[in-house]
Amino acid sequence: QKEVEQDPGPLSVPEGAIVSLNCTYSNSAFQYFMWYRQYSRKGPELLMYTYSSGNKEDGRFTAQVDKSSKYISLFIRDSQPSDSATYLCAMIGRDYGGSQGNLIFGKGTKLSVKP
Amino acid sequence: EAQVTQNPRYLITVTGKKLTVTCSQNMNHEYMSWYRQDPGLGLRQIYYSMNVEVTDKGDVPEGYKVSRKEKRNFPLILESPSPNQTSLYFCASSLGRNREQYFGPGTRLTVT
Repeated sequence: QKEVEQDPGPLSVPEGAIVSLNCTYSNSAFQYFMWYRQYSRKGPELLMYTYSSGNKEDGRFTAQVDKSSKYISLFIRDSQPSDSATYLCAMIGRDYGGSQGNLIFGKGTKLSVKP
Repeated sequence: EAQVTQNPRYLITVTGKKLTVTCSQNMNHEYMSWYRQDPGLGLRQIYYSMNVEVTDKGDVPEGYKVSRKEKRNFPLILESPSPNQTSLYFCASSLGRNREQYFGPGTRLTVT
């Protein structure tokens, strides 16, 4: 089983839809969870950063972490064409050493929001 | 403007010809890292540096070298590039290992 699993999509939704993006992971040592957005031909940019379980909201974006299920989600409300990009989840453990010592990325989900 | 810069942005080279990709950040970050991004494989860490003169291997370090002589710079060196190193490379920096990372614009490398 891969450490981080993310459905690559592509995911196509109409403008205004609620988008749900998800990742599952296998390493229970992961404690810091991030979502990055990557536009075509650009570097990833941080959208959300959360520690441990719970929800975090920032404007139209909500990040959710369920450590008991090893499952994280990113919700985008009122999606816009400008949200069209690849979304990458990433996670890292608290301690050094071992596989949780490095930031591990999902492979990304490509999202297209149609006007 | 706070940023991570990389040069060159595009590079086509031949097998075996040594090359260096530079990375510089102006945010006084201690942690810097190099990734490669390949279709179907996602972002994978090559090397990282916790601070000046402190570097360590990531998940795919074979064929690469790094150095960290100054806090702001973290060059990636390919001593003898091979075609399987054709990829999109990103440099990133952050305040610490498990803090949010800021990425450069990427370097697209082709080795023929």
